[in-house]
Amino acid sequence: AQSVAQPEDQVNVAEGNPLTVKCTYSVSGNPYLFWYVQYPNRGLQFLLKYITGDNLVKGSYGFEAEFNKSQTSFHLKKPSALVSDSALYFCVPFNYGNNRLAFGKGNQVVVIP
Amino acid sequence: DAGVIQSPRHEVTEMGQEVTLRCKPISGHDYLFWYRQTMMRGLELLIYFNNNVPIDDSGMPEDRFSAKMPNASFSTLKIQPSEPRDSAVYFCASSLEPGPVPYEQYFGPGTRLTVT
Repeated sequence: AQSVAQPEDQVNVAEGNPLTVKCTYSVSGNPYLFWYVQYPNRGLQFLLKYITGDNLVKGSYGFEAEFNKSQTSFHLKKPSALVSDSALYFCVPFNYGNNRLAFGKGNQVVVIP
Repeated sequence: DAGVIQSPRHEVTEMGQEVTLRCKPISGHDYLFWYRQTMMRGLELLIYFNNNVPIDDSGMPEDRFSAKMPNASFSTLKIQPSEPRDSAVYFCASSLEPGPVPYEQYFGPGTRLTVT
């Protein structure tokens, strides 16, 4: 079974500061991990995914994520947060057996001007 | 491509009425997913199709919910009769069939359903 934990209910960060949204995973076999973002009153948008290869994955809108096998983490990062980055962020494991993305409640990020 | 298209964007109906939500996936995508999002439960998978065939409907809450995919470019999610607890945002998503690596799902803008 594949699962992730996003430990903080809400992440608050000042505009211009680095943004980190944490995610730890628990999977059997090779992990396939995705990050999605949901802006207010919008559908979910794909940011990036880790399949294999480079541990640093670059995605859309200036985001990147680092896969760390020893710490079983896949934290999402952005060097300088924008107010427009305020959104709901989902760290999502992929279950290859049934082609499912196992979404949860996500992490709310608030960027303070 | 226009992306995944959903209609209507907003639906307000009275308890007991039939509700039909519509989805047009991205052309060429083999998989179609229906999700429901609420504050309490987050994003839940209701049902998904592969090549127009329902594969897993274990997430459908009860018999009042039904989904069809008559062709590769159209799917419906129907609630009959609707109840206030069905109020939520319903998303449709589509993706290519997984090969050596899984593909991302592309989401539509959602339908916000309010049942009074």
